[in-house]
Amino acid sequence: GAVVSQHPSWVICKSGTSVKIECRSLDFQATTMFWYRQFPKQSLMLMATSNEGSKATYEQGVEKDKFLINHASLTLSTLTVTSAHPEDSSFYICSASISRNQPQHFGDGTRLSIL
Amino acid sequence: EDQVTQSPEALRLQEGESSSLNCSYTVSGLRGLFWYRQDPGKGPEFLFTLYSAGEEKEKERLKATLTKKESFLHITAPKPEDSATYLCAVQGVDNNDMRFGAGTRLTVKP
Repeated sequence: GAVVSQHPSWVICKSGTSVKIECRSLDFQATTMFWYRQFPKQSLMLMATSNEGSKATYEQGVEKDKFLINHASLTLSTLTVTSAHPEDSSFYICSASISRNQPQHFGDGTRLSIL
Repeated sequence: EDQVTQSPEALRLQEGESSSLNCSYTVSGLRGLFWYRQDPGKGPEFLFTLYSAGEEKEKERLKATLTKKESFLHITAPKPEDSATYLCAVQGVDNNDMRFGAGTRLTVKP
């Protein structure tokens, strides 16, 4: 149980393109979903927290107009990287949690490469 | 602010050589401490949650323990397939999110 699916797993695109990443909880309803960014050999850095039906809460230093998050249902959250540039290249990972006292379950990440 | 420090940064073991990974934390009221395993190019895989000092949990060759200041992940007679990065994270009572440590990269040689 507690499976989280993330799609796509790998994206290569030109600078200026907008990229959408989907995160789905397959066998449970997630009241909260989280988006992380991870650089090589570094730990996960929380970007934002999203609750179904409300605006996402962004961490300090994360541009909300750059990284658009939509949590339209209890099983789906999307992250759109708008007008992506090479410095946005990274490994993006989502997670979902049933409730505040439960662990987060992670998707397998999306490798984003901007040329 | 919640802080998590993991040591060592990297650990190389021979197959069968038991050892421990450390996770030191500071948090204003611990809701839970979490251990994850992450393989290269994959998302973290949940291992354990510990909620209070003195608690222990086991899964195969792994055993996690918790005190008021730190947690240990003990690996008994590791195998090459245990090679991965092990991440520790804490959640405070006032937070909905977790703070992660930098991880320990474990390599087990046959």
